Amino acid sequence: NAGVMQNPRHLVRRRGQEARLRCSPMKGHSHVYWYRQLPEEGLKFMVYLQKENIIDESGMPKERFSAEFPKEGPSILRIQQVVRGDSAAYFCASTQGATGELFFGEGSRLTVL
Amino acid sequence: QKEVEQDPGPLSVPEGAIVSLNCTYSNSAFQYFMWYRQYSRKGPELLMYTYSSGNKEDGRFTAQVDKSSKYISLFIRDSQPSDSATYLCAMQRTGANNLFFGTGTRLTVIP
Repeated sequence: NAGVMQNPRHLVRRRGQEARLRCSPMKGHSHVYWYRQLPEEGLKFMVYLQKENIIDESGMPKERFSAEFPKEGPSILRIQQVVRGDSAAYFCASTQGATGELFFGEGSRLTVL
Repeated sequence: QKEVEQDPGPLSVPEGAIVSLNCTYSNSAFQYFMWYRQYSRKGPELLMYTYSSGNKEDGRFTAQVDKSSKYISLFIRDSQPSDSATYLCAMQRTGANNLFFGTGTRLTVIP
């Protein structure tokens, strides 16, 4: 499968724990985007990364959330000290260049108890 | 006011009907307009991509953009049960990286 791969597909955490979501972009893609989809709401942009660089994090909450895209390995979205309001589907998308069609993964669904 | 407004539906139509899905927006800087289809528990997939005003047709799908009214539409002809999904409109400013999405319209095509 050469598509965008996200894992885990489902993650359950208790309040205060950490959540780590991983995204491997499509082969040949070096630009990664993270979006969050809350129930009954549209997808909201969180962060745009290239290898080893955060290009635009204007949609990221200022606290508890961080993202990285290392030279080797997948992009990671990290949520520290999760709260119930963090329960959502988190989607990763990749593009080959700075613009162009976004290819989305199937999402990681986080449930905070 | 949200930047992109979309009626969440749900919308139910009989097989073979013409479906009309719409979004309005408030930011005149949007230049790129997209429609995504999202099946339940899946990621969005791009259906149509248009730049500025005008029409674009691809098989049974037609996208229309009216920038003067800040209004975009997606028409599905001869709808099929396999078209049952949530349809999301999305918009982008020139030079920007992120997309602004509508909330999505849930469509069911009844056999």
